[in-house]
Amino acid sequence: EDQVTQSPEALRLQEGESSSLNCSYTVSGLRGLFWYRQDPGKGPEFLFTLYSAGEEKEKERLKATLTKKESFLHITAPKPEDSATYLCAVPKELNGSSNTGKLIFGQGTTLQVKP
Amino acid sequence: GAVVSQHPSWVICKSGTSVKIECRSLDFQATTMFWYRQFPKQSLMLMATSNEGSKATYEQGVEKDKFLINHASLTLSTLTVTSAHPEDSSFYICSANGLQGISTDTQYFGPGTRLTVL
Repeated sequence: EDQVTQSPEALRLQEGESSSLNCSYTVSGLRGLFWYRQDPGKGPEFLFTLYSAGEEKEKERLKATLTKKESFLHITAPKPEDSATYLCAVPKELNGSSNTGKLIFGQGTTLQVKP
Repeated sequence: GAVVSQHPSWVICKSGTSVKIECRSLDFQATTMFWYRQFPKQSLMLMATSNEGSKATYEQGVEKDKFLINHASLTLSTLTVTSAHPEDSSFYICSANGLQGISTDTQYFGPGTRLTVL
C-alpha cells in the first residue's frame, strides 16, 4: 500500500539553526513528490514538485531534494516566519499505473523557529 | 498565478441547516477539483474528487448525500453540507489541478472554510 511518512512530527529550532525535514515514501512508481507549507487556519501553499531522484529545487531558505526512497526539505538559517507545518505528498495510483490525480499526504512536520 | 479562492472563509450555522461552500480557480482552468476535510492537528483527509460536468467520486466512508458536490464549470466547484450537525464542524479545503499553462500534476489549494455547526 502506498504510504508517506514524515519525520520528525515536530521540530523546534532557534533562529539561524539549520535543519532538515524528512519525507519517506513507498509507492510502486513515483510520479512526483510535492512539498507544501501550511499555516494555522489556512490552506496548504505549494512549494515544490520533484520528479526524479537527484533533483533539487530551492526557494529562499528552503531546498528540497529527492532520492529513490525519500525527500528532504532543508531549511537554512531559518527565521521565525518559517514556522509552519510542512506537508509532503505523492500521487495516488490506481492499479499501479493510472494517475488518479489524488495525493497521499504525510502527517506533516510542525516547525517552530524561535527568535 | 494558480490562485484558488474559497467562499465563505468561515460560517456558523444551526444544526439541521445546509451550508454551501464555493471553490474557484481564479487565473486558470481546473480539470479536477478536490475537497478535503481537516481536523485539528491532523493531516488532510480527501473527501471527494470532482470533474467538470460529471458526478463527483467520493472516498470510502464519505456520505455522498450528506456532502453534495457540483462542478458546474472549469473554474467553479461547490460543496453543500446538507442537514449539518455539530460533528460536521471542521475545516474544509478545496484544491484544483491545472488544465493548461499550469502544471496538471500539482494541486493548488484554497484558503479553507471553517464550518461551525451549533
